[in-house]
Amino acid sequence: EAGVVQSPRYKIIEKKQPVAFWCNPISGHNTLYWYLQNLGQGPELLIRYENEEAVDDSQLPKDRFSAERLKGVDSTLKIQPAELGDSAVYLCASSLEGTLTGELFFGEGSRLTVL
Amino acid sequence: KQEVTQIPAALSVPEGENLVLNCSFTDSAIYNLQWFRQDPGKGLTSLLLIQSSQREQTSGRLNASLDKSSGRSTLYIAASQPGDSATYLCAVKASRGSYIPTFGRGTSLIVHP
Repeated sequence: EAGVVQSPRYKIIEKKQPVAFWCNPISGHNTLYWYLQNLGQGPELLIRYENEEAVDDSQLPKDRFSAERLKGVDSTLKIQPAELGDSAVYLCASSLEGTLTGELFFGEGSRLTVL
Repeated sequence: KQEVTQIPAALSVPEGENLVLNCSFTDSAIYNLQWFRQDPGKGLTSLLLIQSSQREQTSGRLNASLDKSSGRSTLYIAASQPGDSATYLCAVKASRGSYIPTFGRGTSLIVHP
């Protein structure tokens, strides 16, 4: 069974440029998360989807960040325009909620460097 | 708001030692607690998940325990090996409110030969 797939793995852009990250969760997982991880820190939630509905997005900087989850499967996270402080790793995770475990599975992450 | 703390922040030990990593949380109303491993430049790999009704889980040389009343979990690594070198993170999912998994900052482990 394929795990959570993210792309691109690495992205280097100039400040003020746009960038987009893509995530394909584990097949059948109804809940999808985008986390931000800075060096030496634990992941911090940006947004959580239940199927196609964003149910937790209070930590998403909505002036420059946007996300969507089409048909409750793949998701895209966009930043426009990027700032120097956005340099970090963007992690996607998925889980099957409503089951006994609700175990969380992560992708490899997308590392963003803003110059 | 749930707060998760991991102690120690870093640990360096010789090969063969038995280790205990600690995770504490402020709100005992949890749904589950999950331990992860993260290698440099990689994503998080799930190691063990403990449901709120469970006291411990074991996988190979790893054993995780949960004490909700005291807000603590420990990850025990037996007979450590250099390949165990990584950062270990715990995540606590609340059983009320937003049900968001909240992470600690992790413990960076180095096992030297």
